[in-house]
Amino acid sequence: EIVLTQSPATLSLSPGESATLSCRASQSVSNYLTWYQQKPGQAPRLLIYDGSNRATGIPARFSGTGSGTDFTLTISSLEPEDFAVYFCQHRNNLPPSLTFGGGTKVEIK
Amino acid sequence: QVQLRESGPGLVKPSETLSLICIVSGGSIDSYYWTWIRQSPGKGLEWIGYIFYTGITNYNPSLKSRVTMSVDTSKNQISLQLRSVTAADTAVYYCARDIDEEGMDLWGQGTTVTVSS
Repeated sequence: EIVLTQSPATLSLSPGESATLSCRASQSVSNYLTWYQQKPGQAPRLLIYDGSNRATGIPARFSGTGSGTDFTLTISSLEPEDFAVYFCQHRNNLPPSLTFGGGTKVEIK
Repeated sequence: QVQLRESGPGLVKPSETLSLICIVSGGSIDSYYWTWIRQSPGKGLEWIGYIFYTGITNYNPSLKSRVTMSVDTSKNQISLQLRSVTAADTAVYYCARDIDEEGMDLWGQGTTVTVSS
């Protein structure tokens, strides 16, 4: 079973600063890594799929990089609405399963 | 636009069966996978399983013995049953449209289920 480890657990930043979030897989997942944003009381929102592709309607300040075991989500200049929890996720096909990382909370400093 | 809405009892007694439905409006459930995810209070996200519109399913091995998912194309809805629940099953339950490697692009608002006597 692939385990996804996100770091840091919490990131304290100010609006306008850049955020760098990490997701590390216990074994190679190629580029099959997805990122979600979740705000309190809301469902997760799809941000990035296949490691680096922004989902429909996602602002360009969100970018994903990486392949293999190490992935990064970068928010280039934090807007007030970006303070939230971010999860990475991988889908395994053989056997079928879906795994989430533990999440990184981006909070206002 | 396509919207998902989960519904079901908010309170279930221990050892009983949790039953939820996810109604898809504004679009067809055909041609997609539909996934159930849950989130325990203050915790992360846990995959429960998914169902293809044809009825093919795959479940989380840790829940497989207690889970059944079904699809009703005539009603455009997906159902989840989780048997023999305990307090550990207390969570917000989400359904989501699943486009495989492109992620889960649409989510319901979630429904809170508490397991308590």
